Amino acid sequence: KAGVTQTPRYLIKTRGQQVTLSCSPISGHRSVSWYQQTPGQGLQFLFEYFSETQRNKGNFPGRFSGRQFSNSRSEMNVSTLELGDSALYLCASSPRTSGRVETQYFGPGTRLLVL
Amino acid sequence: AQSVTQPDIHITVSEGASLELRCNYSYGATPYLFWYVQSPGQGLQLLLKYFSGDTLVQGIKGFEAEFKRSQSSFNLRKPSVHWSDAAEYFCAVNARAYSGAGSYQLTFGKGTKLSVIP
Repeated sequence: KAGVTQTPRYLIKTRGQQVTLSCSPISGHRSVSWYQQTPGQGLQFLFEYFSETQRNKGNFPGRFSGRQFSNSRSEMNVSTLELGDSALYLCASSPRTSGRVETQYFGPGTRLLVL
Repeated sequence: AQSVTQPDIHITVSEGASLELRCNYSYGATPYLFWYVQSPGQGLQLLLKYFSGDTLVQGIKGFEAEFKRSQSSFNLRKPSVHWSDAAEYFCAVNARAYSGAGSYQLTFGKGTKLSVIP
C-alpha cells in the first residue's frame, strides 16, 4: 500500500496570505488528522476528520480550518497567515475501526515558511 | 487532560551501547501508547505501540518498550544502538482530550533527540 502523501512538500508565503495543504491517506483509511510541529511548541494536534466530518479539534484559532472529501482526502487551510504559522504540518491517517483513533500513520509533512 | 513527559531532551550514546528513552504519561484510565521516530526533515515513523495485554512490546528496528502502570511509564529500549538510530524520538498517548469525556486525540511528548557517537 502507498503511504500517506502530502502536497506540496515546501511552501513559502507572506503574512496575510492564505494557504491550502493537501493530504491523501492510506487507501482504506477513513480518518485524517493534522498536526503542527514547531521547535518551541512541539507537536500539536489541529483537528481530525472522519467520514467528511470534523470529529475533534485542538486549541487553534479559527484561521485554521479543514475539510475531508468523500474519497477521504483532506485539505487544511490557514487564512491570514502570521509569522508564527511557520511550521511543519503533518498529516496522519488511521483506519479508525472503533470510536477511538488507534494507530496513526504519518506523511512526510509540508514545511510552511511565512515571511 | 492527558500529558506526556519525556524528561531527556538530548541523549548521546556510543554505537553499540544500550539505550533507554524515558516516557511518563498522565491519564486516569489505560491509555494507548506509542513511540515514533523522526529523522531530520521527515515525517513520523511508528516504532511500536501498546494497547493491552503483554506489557513488553516489540517494535521495528530492534526496539522494545515496557508499559509499567504503577509508574505511568512507557520507556523505549534498544540493546545495541546503530549510527542510523540517530534521530528524534517521540512518545505519544491516545486518550480522551478531557478527563472522562471528549473525543480521543493523540498527545505527544516534547521529544528526545538521540545522537550516536561512531
